Amino acid sequence: KAGVTQTPRYLIKTRGQQVTLSCSPISGHRSVSWYQQTPGQGLQFLFEYFSETQRNKGNFPGRFSGRQFSNSRSEMNVSTLELGDSALYLCASSSGLAGSYEQYFGPGTRLTVT
Amino acid sequence: DAKTTQPPSMDCAEGRAANLPCNHSTISGNEYVYWYRQIHSQGPQYIIHGLKNNETNEMASLIITEDRKSSTLILPHATLRDTAVYYCIVRAYFGNEKLTFGTGTRLTIIP
Repeated sequence: KAGVTQTPRYLIKTRGQQVTLSCSPISGHRSVSWYQQTPGQGLQFLFEYFSETQRNKGNFPGRFSGRQFSNSRSEMNVSTLELGDSALYLCASSSGLAGSYEQYFGPGTRLTVT
Repeated sequence: DAKTTQPPSMDCAEGRAANLPCNHSTISGNEYVYWYRQIHSQGPQYIIHGLKNNETNEMASLIITEDRKSSTLILPHATLRDTAVYYCIVRAYFGNEKLTFGTGTRLTIIP
């Protein structure tokens, strides 16, 4: 069974731009969670989607948004990029709500904002 | 707001057992202990989880104290590929709360 895939793997953007990251969960998994990882803040939860509905949200500004499609694929969008948004963005999938089942992480998208 | 405390770093000789401690003194009755690890530049990898009984799988063993306030992850025969940051997390099994990662323990396996 294929693992979680994320595209693109690397991305360079400039301040003020917006970016969309994509995540394809493991086949059959219905929950997708997004995390931001930076050296200073560690791994921080962004949001979780289950059956196309946002079920949980972390403490990030409204510039960070996401959505999930009927095939469980998910996208996250960051508008008006800031230098501090440079990070590794990780997506994780699980067969049920993330609290109930172990999560499987993708390799991440490394975003650099200049 | 992580609910766990782990030592920031540990070393272990290759071939020996690596024992990683975790304190979770405020754990509640319906919360499980989960362990993940993250090898450099990769996404975190699920290792094991447990409630109150000791658990073992092909990767590791999890020992939870009787009062459930602490646990130990054991890698029985550490290899160089086990060098990673190990995260201990507590959360309810059927909870709706987000997965909260602390700072973890950076385990270095010494050849």
